[in-house]
Amino acid sequence: QKEVEQDPGPLSVPEGAIVSLNCTYSNSAFQYFMWYRQYSRKGPELLMYTYSSGNKEDGRFTAQVDKSSKYISLFIRDSQPSDSATYLCANKETSGSRLTFGEGTQLTVNP
Amino acid sequence: GAVVSQHPSRVICKSGTSVKIECRSLDFQATTMFWYRQFPKQSLMLMATSNEGSKATYEQGVEKDKFLINHASLTLSTLTVTSAHPEDSSFYICSARVASRTDTQYFGPGTRLTVL
Repeated sequence: QKEVEQDPGPLSVPEGAIVSLNCTYSNSAFQYFMWYRQYSRKGPELLMYTYSSGNKEDGRFTAQVDKSSKYISLFIRDSQPSDSATYLCANKETSGSRLTFGEGTQLTVNP
Repeated sequence: GAVVSQHPSRVICKSGTSVKIECRSLDFQATTMFWYRQFPKQSLMLMATSNEGSKATYEQGVEKDKFLINHASLTLSTLTVTSAHPEDSSFYICSARVASRTDTQYFGPGTRLTVL
């Protein structure tokens, strides 16, 4: 079993839709939860960062972490064609430096 | 802030040659840098962790003698793919950790290596 599971998609939505991206994980030691956005042939860009459980909002993006169910979500409101990318969830334990990535979900927002 | 650059962005080489990829933190000091490999439509695979002034720590299954890593300064790490073969063709991405913030990493734009 992978430590972090993420549906690879592809996910296709119309412009303006609300997008929900999700990851599940099995390692109870994860305390830091991140979402990265990766455009084709580019390096990942840090989008959202959350410590422990809770919600975090930044503009059109909201990250949610539910440690009790080991479930992580990223919501994108009013999605735009420029949001078309692969979204990777990444988790980290308190100690150490290793990030454990999900497989990534490929999102396409159609104009 | 927290900008990481990589050079070159793309390289094509013949089988048997060595290729060096540079990773630089432009506006911060990075005590730790990481090297990843990514195949098409797959996630990032950590190859090694590089600490400034010390030997890199390689992940299981990564050949130390084939992927040479040097982290000579707080802003520069290099990955050298020695005696490259077509199966080494991949997207190589580095990341750097801000010394004052150890909980996240900032990634470079990646280097696409094609070995003929």
